[in-house]
Amino acid sequence: AQSVTQPDIHITVSEGASLELRCNYSYGATPYLFWYVQSPGQGLQLLLKYFSGDTLVQGIKGFEAEFKRSQSSFNLRKPSVHWSDAAEYFCAVPFSGAGSYQLTFGKGTKLSVIP
Amino acid sequence: ETGVTQTPRHLVMGMTNKKSLKCEQHLGHNAMYWYKQSAKKPLELMFVYSLEERVENNSVPSRFSPECPNSSHLFLHLHTLQPEDSALYLCASSQDGAVSPYNEQFFGPGTRLTVL
Repeated sequence: AQSVTQPDIHITVSEGASLELRCNYSYGATPYLFWYVQSPGQGLQLLLKYFSGDTLVQGIKGFEAEFKRSQSSFNLRKPSVHWSDAAEYFCAVPFSGAGSYQLTFGKGTKLSVIP
Repeated sequence: ETGVTQTPRHLVMGMTNKKSLKCEQHLGHNAMYWYKQSAKKPLELMFVYSLEERVENNSVPSRFSPECPNSSHLFLHLHTLQPEDSALYLCASSQDGAVSPYNEQFFGPGTRLTVL
């Protein structure tokens, strides 16, 4: 069965520092991969997605992610974190259920930013 | 209103109450989803509606009853809930039904439910 692992439950970085959030997946074929962000009191917003092609994907808010098949990873990065990036980040993989495609989400990584 | 809206934003109910959560999408999508988000657990997909027909029911207890009267509205009817049902309930929608892995899902802000 498809699964998504986000090893880090909580990460704290200083404003202006670089950021990398880890995501590992278990999937038989080349996966489609998503990163979502959830700000406090809000729903989830799509940051970026990978379907095929270039393994380095650019997203909104200055985020990027790199697909590495050999490591089954799709880590999210940002070169310089802003205080407004404090939120929870979710990696997700779609898979085919009985009648539709469903998203399997990781448990999330909560990001705190120190001024 | 734009995007996906959910009402109420907060709900406190007793175990014997009956209440409903409402979701409305203003994006012209034709698939809608209910998710449950509990502390320290991954998002759990509860129900999927595509073109107003339920296409997924992920072993959700019958005390949760969804309704999709049209492609823009989705309800979750609640009755005789348990305290462990306390969670954030998120609604989402997507274009092209739910038959493509490319579908980006757009989420509402959620309803924070507390069952006493």
